[in-house]
Amino acid sequence: EVVMTQSPATLSVSPGERATLSCRASQNVYSNLAWYQQKPGQAPRLLIYSASTRATGVPARFSGSGSGTEFTLTISSLQSEDSAVYFCQHYNNWPLTFGGGTKVEIK
Amino acid sequence: QVQLQESGPGLVKPSETLSLTCTVSGGSIVGSFWTWVRQPPGEGLEWIGHIYTGGSTNYNPSLKSRVTISTDVSKNEVSLRLRSVTAADTAVYYCAGRGVAWYFDPWGQGTLVTVSS
Repeated sequence: EVVMTQSPATLSVSPGERATLSCRASQNVYSNLAWYQQKPGQAPRLLIYSASTRATGVPARFSGSGSGTEFTLTISSLQSEDSAVYFCQHYNNWPLTFGGGTKVEIK
Repeated sequence: QVQLQESGPGLVKPSETLSLTCTVSGGSIVGSFWTWVRQPPGEGLEWIGHIYTGGSTNYNPSLKSRVTISTDVSKNEVSLRLRSVTAADTAVYYCAGRGVAWYFDPWGQGTLVTVSS
């Protein structure tokens, strides 16, 4: 099973600043990685797939990068509505697994 | 656009079977993959398994012995059954569709199931 490790657990960023979230896979997952945003009481929302492709309707301030075992989600200019927990998920093999999440707080 | 809605009992007794239904609207479930994911309160996400409406299934090995996912094409529904539940199965259960590859979109709103006597 591929273990997905996200860091940091919590990130506090001022509005307008850049937020950088990391996700590490315990083995090579190539570009088979997705990112989700989850706000309190809501279902996860797909942000990024194939490591760097934005899903439909996702603002351009969200970008994904990386391949292999190291991945990054960047929010270029944090908005108040970006306060949420962000999860990464690999889909390279079975079972599909998620990272533990990074909580982004607005400073 | 496709929308998903989970439904089922919010409380299940230990050792009993958890049964949930996902009703899909805005499109047919035929020819697609459908997934269940769960999230214990305050914790992360766990893939439970998926089904293709042609009949094939794939389950998380950690749950495989207790899980059955099925479809009812006539009702446009996807179902989850989890047997012999314990408190560790308390979670919000989500159904989701699959993207072009094995990422999930869209998601239902989720339903909380508590296992308690």
